[in-house]
Amino acid sequence: GDSVTQTEGQVALSEEDFLTIHCNYSASGYPALFWYVQYPGEGPQFLFRASRDKEKGSSRGFEATYNKEATSFHLQKASVQESDSAVYYCALSPFNTGNYKYVFGAGTRLKVIA
Amino acid sequence: ETAVFQTPNYHVTQVGNEVSFNCKQTLGHDTMYWYKQDSKKLLKIMFSYNNKQLIVNETVPRRFSPQSSDKAHLNLRIKSVEPEDSAVYLCASSSTGVSNERLFFGHGTKLSVL
Repeated sequence: GDSVTQTEGQVALSEEDFLTIHCNYSASGYPALFWYVQYPGEGPQFLFRASRDKEKGSSRGFEATYNKEATSFHLQKASVQESDSAVYYCALSPFNTGNYKYVFGAGTRLKVIA
Repeated sequence: ETAVFQTPNYHVTQVGNEVSFNCKQTLGHDTMYWYKQDSKKLLKIMFSYNNKQLIVNETVPRRFSPQSSDKAHLNLRIKSVEPEDSAVYLCASSSTGVSNERLFFGHGTKLSVL
């Protein structure tokens, strides 16, 4: 079945550091790829998506590029802030299969120290 | 701005009791979901309804039963809770028709089983 693998556990950075959270996927067909962010006490929120090869998604300074050859969608931000501390999920939505099962990665906790 | 509303926010109960969680979305979406999020932040889909029809039913214990009165409401009943049911239950909605549609989540209901 489809799967998403992302950077495990926690990433700890200082403010203004560069962030990369790795995301790789395995899927039949051509899925749409997403990043979601979850702050404490809230549900996950949509950050951005990409639907085709080489498409870049971005929001709030975060970005990721759909790489079909490498089956990757790595999240990056040039300069993190303490307010970016949250759990980040990479996810895929199977394309055109009638399958309503989004597949989420295990989540990566980002802690930014001021 | 929240458009997926879950009640209650928290629920503490004892093993063997019955609990019910409610979810309502005001986005006009036709698909709703229940996810279970464990203490390690893993997200697992449990059920999905499209226009009141059950379309995803993952391998969950029979004590869990979803109920949908219309496409804006999706409830979850747990007939006889077990300690392993302690988790955050997240309701989400989306609009079908395009495969890359994002999910909108509620804030979750945190269940603690003593």
